[in-house]
Amino acid sequence: GIQVEQSPPDLILQEGANSTLRCNFSDSVNNLQWFHQNPWGQLINLFYIPSGTKQNGRLSATTVATERYSLLYISSSQTTDSGVYFCAVDMEYGNKLVFGAGTILRVKS
Amino acid sequence: ETGVTQSPTHLIKTRGQQVTLRCSSQSGHNTVSWYQQALGQGPQFIFQYYREEENGRGNFPPRFSGLQFPNYSSELNVNALELDDSALYLCASSPGLADEQYFGPGTRLTVT
Repeated sequence: GIQVEQSPPDLILQEGANSTLRCNFSDSVNNLQWFHQNPWGQLINLFYIPSGTKQNGRLSATTVATERYSLLYISSSQTTDSGVYFCAVDMEYGNKLVFGAGTILRVKS
Repeated sequence: ETGVTQSPTHLIKTRGQQVTLRCSSQSGHNTVSWYQQALGQGPQFIFQYYREEENGRGNFPPRFSGLQFPNYSSELNVNALELDDSALYLCASSPGLADEQYFGPGTRLTVT
């Protein structure tokens, strides 16, 4: 089956710093989503981005489908950005998401 | 906050028992997917329901079963609970099969 690898596994930032999270996937995909999981377990949608670039405030994402990777950029990080960031892909038409292992982000004030 | 709701929030069961978890999809969504998230791992796909029919299943045994109702809400049933079934169970809904998924807050199941 499809493999999804996220890097780095852990990241510690000082408030105000920028960061880039990476997601590599082993096959072509129909869908790619980025999520932020808060300490209570809620998965919050960040981007639905099977290809191209999107921006939402301090966050942006780029997916290069032909090279099988996606990047999530966080600028001017805040303590509320702390949590686990997941990349999830769907290689079938049907949204059966395969998740990576996540990146644990800690932002210190 | 999404319009997807799940109940109960937390649940403690004994090994061998049966459990039913519930999910109400967001208005206008006809597709519901269930995921299991063990501690420290990413969610794993259990199965998906589209317009009341099962539309795909992950690598989970038959004691994991589900239903989708005419209003597109859904249930996940787990029989003969095992200790390894302890996890966060997440439900996601989407407007259709190839659309963005939106997750509920999850049900945390502990099996003792």
